[in-house]
Amino acid sequence: EPEVTQTPSHQVTQMGQEVILRCVPISNHLYFYWYRQILGQKVEFLVSFYNNEISEKSEIFDDQFSVERPDGSNFTLKIRSTKLEDSAMYFCASRFFQETQYFGPGTRLLVL
Amino acid sequence: GDSVTQMEGPVTLSEEAFLTINCTYTATGYPSLFWYVQYPGEGLQLLLKATKADDKGSNKGFEATYRKETTSFHLEKGSVQVSDSAVYFCALMNRDDKIIFGKGTRLHILP
Repeated sequence: EPEVTQTPSHQVTQMGQEVILRCVPISNHLYFYWYRQILGQKVEFLVSFYNNEISEKSEIFDDQFSVERPDGSNFTLKIRSTKLEDSAMYFCASRFFQETQYFGPGTRLLVL
Repeated sequence: GDSVTQMEGPVTLSEEAFLTINCTYTATGYPSLFWYVQYPGEGLQLLLKATKADDKGSNKGFEATYRKETTSFHLEKGSVQVSDSAVYFCALMNRDDKIIFGKGTRLHILP
């Protein structure tokens, strides 16, 4: 069964460094998302992406964040200058037209 | 705005016990409702869903019925197993296409 994949599974970085989280959505999907889950808290929507542009973003998704679909398969989340409070599990999701969003296994980011 | 409220955990049950995890929502219109499960060390997996009032979603022995009159989507299972130990998230999706999650309920099943 096709699935969303994410790399790396874990990333440790120093505060102020740039990180890029990578996702490979399911191949025929058209809508892409990033969510995050701070340890012990609820999963929160960050951004949705369709037709090579952002459809919607939350207030969390400030100028430090960006998303890109650099080729036909990858979908990336970049954090330009990481803060301690960016430490979280980041989930990518994708869907086809009216279907359910399918989530990847997540990338656990730790900012020191 | 739209929101989901689910019962606080952790919930601890013995194997073969009956499970109910309560979930209520606030939303405009007619959202789709979901239960996601997160096993230890893993990502979010869709457990079941319902897209309109009175629909019943079911999977792996779990069930939930979309009750518009009580704005609820309670998760039930008749006989839980140790392997059901996980965190369960109730969620909704409205027309704006983003999923809104509850805080999650951690379930421990004792052998």
